[in-house]
Amino acid sequence: GESVGLHLPTLSVQEGDNSIINCAYSNSASDYFIWYKQESGKGPQFIIDIRSNMDKRQGQRVTVLLNKTVKHLSLQIAATQPGDSAVYFCAENKPGGKLIFGQGTELSVKP
Amino acid sequence: DSGVTQTPKHLITATGQRVTLRCSPRSGDLSVYWYQQSLDQGLQFLIQYYNGEERAKGNILERFSAQQFPDLHSELNLSSLELGDSALYFCASSVGSQRINVLTFGAGSRLTVL
Repeated sequence: GESVGLHLPTLSVQEGDNSIINCAYSNSASDYFIWYKQESGKGPQFIIDIRSNMDKRQGQRVTVLLNKTVKHLSLQIAATQPGDSAVYFCAENKPGGKLIFGQGTELSVKP
Repeated sequence: DSGVTQTPKHLITATGQRVTLRCSPRSGDLSVYWYQQSLDQGLQFLIQYYNGEERAKGNILERFSAQQFPDLHSELNLSSLELGDSALYFCASSVGSQRINVLTFGAGSRLTVL
């Protein structure tokens, strides 16, 4: 079945620390994943994506890791800032382009 | 501003009523997607249109319907509203309907059913 799930509903980190948000998926044939950030009162915003032929992809302060063996991906945010406070979703790209979202992890950054 | 425009931003109505949510996709995007976000269900895919044609259907109730017009804007119609329909409704758009797509989301329409 289609299922993308997150390990933790909330994550609290100190400003300046690194954040790691995890996501598990169930479909071993899945080949494309996207991380979205949703700030309060706004729509989801694209952060970074990764294809299944990659294990790691880096952006500005963000890194996504994909472990196909255990069907797990993670989003790492370096030097977390107050502006990073939001809900983070992993999403699986399905045929035709629709996205199936996980439940989301709320990241809180303490000053 | 993502380029995807949704109206209205907020809507309060009563049970049994019907509402229409409107979405204008980003310039150049041919695909429109509708999602429902409620506290207990997260972001649920409802339906996708590509260049005026329905392309994929998700967990969309029979009381809900959508369409995409020749100018590519889309409308989501919600009828016989129930309390449980209270949610944020997001529209997203993408260039096409290829296997790999990055969706750009609008700011959402918040529906409250009393």
